[in-house]
Amino acid sequence: GAGVSQSPSNKVTEKGKDVELRCDPISGHTALYWYRQRLGQGLEFLIYFQGNSAPDKSGLPSDRFSAERTGESVSTLTIQRTQQEDSAVYLCASSFKQNYGYTFGSGTRLTVV
Amino acid sequence: AQSVTQLGSHVSVSEGALVLLRCNYSSSVPPYLFWYVQYPNQGLQLLLKYTTGATLVKGINGFEAEFKKSETSFHLTKPSAHMSDAAEYFCAVINTGGFKTIFGAGTRLFVKA
Repeated sequence: GAGVSQSPSNKVTEKGKDVELRCDPISGHTALYWYRQRLGQGLEFLIYFQGNSAPDKSGLPSDRFSAERTGESVSTLTIQRTQQEDSAVYLCASSFKQNYGYTFGSGTRLTVV
Repeated sequence: AQSVTQLGSHVSVSEGALVLLRCNYSSSVPPYLFWYVQYPNQGLQLLLKYTTGATLVKGINGFEAEFKKSETSFHLTKPSAHMSDAAEYFCAVINTGGFKTIFGAGTRLFVKA
């Protein structure tokens, strides 16, 4: 597609429920990133996928968080047993090469009540 | 380890005045440097980048930034602010050969009429 597409754009969930966030990167972009942005704060790295290599999961805050990507296509970020502190905007970005910069999606605003 | 410091979480300027947003970084190897802009309720958009070559780089909407290795800085400037420049601005760094971009905490720019 022309840009990075994320869905849903907004998600309200009850504490303890699982949620799944989707990212559709730009076609041909081999790298895909997930970041979290809490209200009034900067971007927190979560996970990075590069082609078929093993992902870098070093930023995932707990084992409740997981992500998958099949090849160079869609990625899903799953949060199990959501907590209120998980409330944030989850941003996905893709990149062709590291020195090209990222193209970001519009994000998924997650609210845990 | 890489890090990015943005001086001032909020900056306010009058319309037509100079915009100066400060960014300092630390990196053990030559970095790639980026500025991103986030308009309200939108995703991040690449404003400009420095990879190699000319240290003064120009971006969209009249912004420019200068890479100063001796000062480990990459400040963002614009000669004359417009109301439409009101947004949050993020400085970011990635090491050459690295894969993970580190973002600053962001600076929110307010433009007064």
